[in-house]
Amino acid sequence: DVKVTQSSRYLVKRTGEKVFLECVQDMDHENMFWYRQDPGLGLRLIYFSYDVKMKEKGDIPEGYSVSREKKERFSLILESASTNQTSMYLCASSLTKSSSPLHFGNGTRLTVT
Amino acid sequence: GNSVTQMEGPVTLSEEAFLTINCTYTATGYPSLFWYVQYPGEGLQLLLKATKADDKGSNKGFEATYRKETTSFHLEKGSVQVSDSAVYFCAPTLYNTDKLIFGTGTRLQVFP
Repeated sequence: DVKVTQSSRYLVKRTGEKVFLECVQDMDHENMFWYRQDPGLGLRLIYFSYDVKMKEKGDIPEGYSVSREKKERFSLILESASTNQTSMYLCASSLTKSSSPLHFGNGTRLTVT
Repeated sequence: GNSVTQMEGPVTLSEEAFLTINCTYTATGYPSLFWYVQYPGEGLQLLLKATKADDKGSNKGFEATYRKETTSFHLEKGSVQVSDSAVYFCAPTLYNTDKLIFGTGTRLQVFP
């Protein structure tokens, strides 16, 4: 089974801090994604990557950046955390085909105070 | 543009009741269609999928049929259990990409 591991389950940070959310997958998937999940808004795509060292903006990239130095690891970076970035963050991976499903991690609940 | 609409929840049912969660989408071309489920405290898991018109996806007693003419992919189960209580997401892929767009999710609560 594919395993997608997010490094932290819960995280509390202060406004203005730089925050790193780490995600690792163990199935050699090409594609990796970062979503945030908020009540009433469903899942919104922040950034995604189809290959090492490449990245593309999703629907809500403002205030975020990403890094993909190795195929298995995709990091989400909040350069200067703000309270409106308090959310559940979900990482996912998939093979290249559009019919391939996403495999999700268990999520990181980030609170910015 | 591409979008997906799910029925709003929560859907509250008694055990063994019939379940339908509606999902309709607008998309260019012929997307693959997915239903995901999120149990409390967990990430999303694939429930079922269909990749072309008239395909029926099924898993754990749930079914959904790819209806191209009505651009719908409604989720059904004949007899729900308490353990089916979760949030369900409908998700078509965007045309010629590996990106999925997600509905807002429908919370299902099943009582004994």
